[in-house]
Amino acid sequence: AQSVTQLGSHVSVSEGALVLLRCNYSSSVPPYLFWYVQYPNQGLQLLLKYTTGATLVKGINGFEAEFKKSETSFHLTKPSAHMSDAAEYFCAVSSNDYKLSFGAGTTVTVRA
Amino acid sequence: NAGVTQTPKFQVLKTGQSMTLQCAQDMNHNSMYWYRQDPGMGLRLIYYSASEGTTDKGEVPNGYNVSRLNKREFSLRLESAAPSQTSVYFCASGRGGARETQYFGPGTRLLVL
Repeated sequence: AQSVTQLGSHVSVSEGALVLLRCNYSSSVPPYLFWYVQYPNQGLQLLLKYTTGATLVKGINGFEAEFKKSETSFHLTKPSAHMSDAAEYFCAVSSNDYKLSFGAGTTVTVRA
Repeated sequence: NAGVTQTPKFQVLKTGQSMTLQCAQDMNHNSMYWYRQDPGMGLRLIYYSASEGTTDKGEVPNGYNVSRLNKREFSLRLESAAPSQTSVYFCASGRGGARETQYFGPGTRLLVL
């Protein structure tokens, strides 16, 4: 069984400030980890993913995430927020089958 | 490439009515998925099709049926809609396998009165 916990359902940041979204997972086998973003009234699109290899993963739009096995975490960061980063962000985990398990999501608002 | 397309975009049903949500992908993907999205609950898998000719239940299959019509198309049917099925429904496709990216359609907003 696998599950994902996203800490904080809403995050508000100032433009230019650090964005940090927290994700912890549980999985009985080595996980594959994903961050997806959903802009208003759209479907989800992939930001980045960890499968194997380097634990620091870079994605689109300046986002990156670090896989920490000892902490069972996959937190998402961006050094400087832009107004266009306002969206809902989902962390997801899959293991040895076709199924993705999603967290509840974190909505990011960016203040001018 | 259109990617993943879904029809309709929005639908209102009365309790007990039936409807079919259509999904098609033009990326030659093997696997297709149906999710529902509810506030505060993320996305939950309803059904998936690992390859043409196969379908399997996900986390919340009750009240739904699916058909993998061919490699491109995967439909979701509500036989007797209930207010609890009011949600946003997303179709996704992927090459298949745990490490592969899933590509999502724009969603169908369903309201059951």
